[in-house]
Amino acid sequence: GAGVSQSPSNKVTEKGKDVELRCDPISGHTALYWYRQRLGQGLEFLIYFQGNSAPDKSGLPSDRFSAERTGESVSTLTIQRTQQEDSAVYLCASARDRVGEQYFGPGTRLTVT
Amino acid sequence: KNEVEQSPQNLTAQEGEFITINCSYSVGISALHWLQQHPGGGIVSLFMLSSGKKKHGRLIATINIQEKHSSLHITASHPRDSAVYICAPLRGGSQGNLIFGKGTKLSVKP
Repeated sequence: GAGVSQSPSNKVTEKGKDVELRCDPISGHTALYWYRQRLGQGLEFLIYFQGNSAPDKSGLPSDRFSAERTGESVSTLTIQRTQQEDSAVYLCASARDRVGEQYFGPGTRLTVT
Repeated sequence: KNEVEQSPQNLTAQEGEFITINCSYSVGISALHWLQQHPGGGIVSLFMLSSGKKKHGRLIATINIQEKHSSLHITASHPRDSAVYICAPLRGGSQGNLIFGKGTKLSVKP
């Protein structure tokens, strides 16, 4: 595809359930990022993948959050035992390399009830 | 103190006015993005710059690395420019993530 895609676009889940969010980056982009935006708040960095290097997980808010990336393709962000404060839009972005322009996906809106 | 400070937080302008949004940062960076977030939530990268000045149509971005300051200018503003504009420096060194300003909400009235 031409851009970054994310699925699902919306997810409503009950507190305590696990959720998995998916990001398909632009083909050929070695850098992939996950960000979060809570309602009315600014963007927060979560995790960054660069090629085959160990990911930068410094932004993950708790050990309930984890992410994987298969090579230079799809990434999944998993949130275990969801809490209401996890409700947010989760955004994925990809770039040609670490210093390249970042292209953002449309986001997944997660609502934890 | 926030690593990225943007001003103003909110800005209302009349169509045709010249707009300036300022961004100051306190960390070492390798580049800086200006992002636009529309009311529907979608985010678009307007500029990525590491020195000097860039221009796309009515938009101009400048950066002064020594002063740790960047500005985004919009000439001949139009209601369709209404959006949130976000300054996002890219951390230097081996870290690769963006750090975000709180954004400037721009409303351009016809």
